[in-house]
Amino acid sequence: DAMVIQNPRYQVTQFGKPVTLSCSQTLNHNVMYWYQQKSSQAPKLLFHYYDKDFNNEADTPDNFQSRRPNTSFCFLDIRSPGLGDAAMYLCATSVRGGIAETQYFGPGTRLLVL
Amino acid sequence: GQSLEQPSEVTAVEGAIVQINCTYQTSGFYGLSWYQQHDGGAPTFLSYNGLDGLEETGRFSSFLSRSDSYGYLLLQELQMKDSASYFCAVYNQGGKLIFGQGTELSVKP
Repeated sequence: DAMVIQNPRYQVTQFGKPVTLSCSQTLNHNVMYWYQQKSSQAPKLLFHYYDKDFNNEADTPDNFQSRRPNTSFCFLDIRSPGLGDAAMYLCATSVRGGIAETQYFGPGTRLLVL
Repeated sequence: GQSLEQPSEVTAVEGAIVQINCTYQTSGFYGLSWYQQHDGGAPTFLSYNGLDGLEETGRFSSFLSRSDSYGYLLLQELQMKDSASYFCAVYNQGGKLIFGQGTELSVKP
């Protein structure tokens, strides 16, 4: 089945220790998104790629970076995680990123910062 | 900018009907979507309304009134598995989704 895969499902890191979260997709969609979702809150868009074109949200901290080496894979790098970065990180895809397009979400990676 | 309001939680019993409302304020309107998210799981698409009226998909229906900046999700014949968070979301001009805070639905026996 075509899908969005995130690994690992749970990630524990130490305060200030860089961490990378992974996302892959078999849908062959052009657009990949990274969202941060804190407990009982709405998913908040961090950035997205349209193909190789990177689009950062204005309020995304510099501590968050992303890489998309090819169509299938996208990585979220947190350079110096703080306690406030503990959250669920959701990866999503859409065909072209257009209005009314469905976004397909992965199962998420729950990040714990000690 | 965009802002959305929906109730934080709703409780209903199995077999009942429940309506989750969503009001929005947007600088431009490009459609309203609903997503379901079970605890610890990924949001999954339920419906999209671009025009006024009712869209029906099985037990779930979604309604939009653009003149009132209002929509709702209607869940019929509630089942225990419908216990989840439901998010309304609007598209901005760039095609990005802006989510509401979510409504936690608890279905009781």
